[in-house]
Amino acid sequence: GAGVSQSPRYKVTKRGQDVALRCDPISGHVSLYWYRQALGQGPEFLTYFNYEAQQDKSGLPNDRFSAERPEGSISTLTIQRTEQRDSAMYRCASSPNDYGNVQGQFFGPGTRLTVL
Amino acid sequence: GDSVTQMEGPVTLSEEAFLTINCTYTATGYPSLFWYVQYPGEGLQLLLKATKADDKGSNKGFEATYRKETTSFHLEKGSVQVSDSAVYFCALSDQGSSYKLIFGSGTRLLVRP
Repeated sequence: GAGVSQSPRYKVTKRGQDVALRCDPISGHVSLYWYRQALGQGPEFLTYFNYEAQQDKSGLPNDRFSAERPEGSISTLTIQRTEQRDSAMYRCASSPNDYGNVQGQFFGPGTRLTVL
Repeated sequence: GDSVTQMEGPVTLSEEAFLTINCTYTATGYPSLFWYVQYPGEGLQLLLKATKADDKGSNKGFEATYRKETTSFHLEKGSVQVSDSAVYFCALSDQGSSYKLIFGSGTRLLVRP
């Protein structure tokens, strides 16, 4: 079946603009995760949803970052008033449940965000 | 806080050579340990995992053993192929927030024919 999809794959924006990154998880997956990955580094946790409920947003860097998953499926990560330091790969993952990562997380291809 | 340290790459090997990628971790309690692989242009894929001490995870000829005494989870393969060229990430999830993966910085593997 279809894997996790993310759109857009590449986004170039000017400093100060808002951006919205979309994640479409694997059908039926209960849990959804957002990570940010700087060049040459591993992904860093941003936030996590169980169904539509945001369970942990401790990794969001500041209040310019927000995420939602209103119907428990597609999720949007929004960055307001973008800054150059926001440039990174943003990765979404989903899993059938949140029980100790038993089956692992399934990652999408990522959105490469560049802020000029 | 919890962390994962991996050997720096790139690691360049000839086909059929033996592979070891070192991974050590710092965590409280008893984390679960994972290796993820990222092929060019694709998302990260779970390669193998181990959830308790002395467990051995294995998949596609790769193996890693959860060593609590040395806090390590080294990835090994007896005979690499060109198709194994990818970036490999070691990761952990701790007991308190098992949904959250903490990754190492990744190790790029290049296998030459």
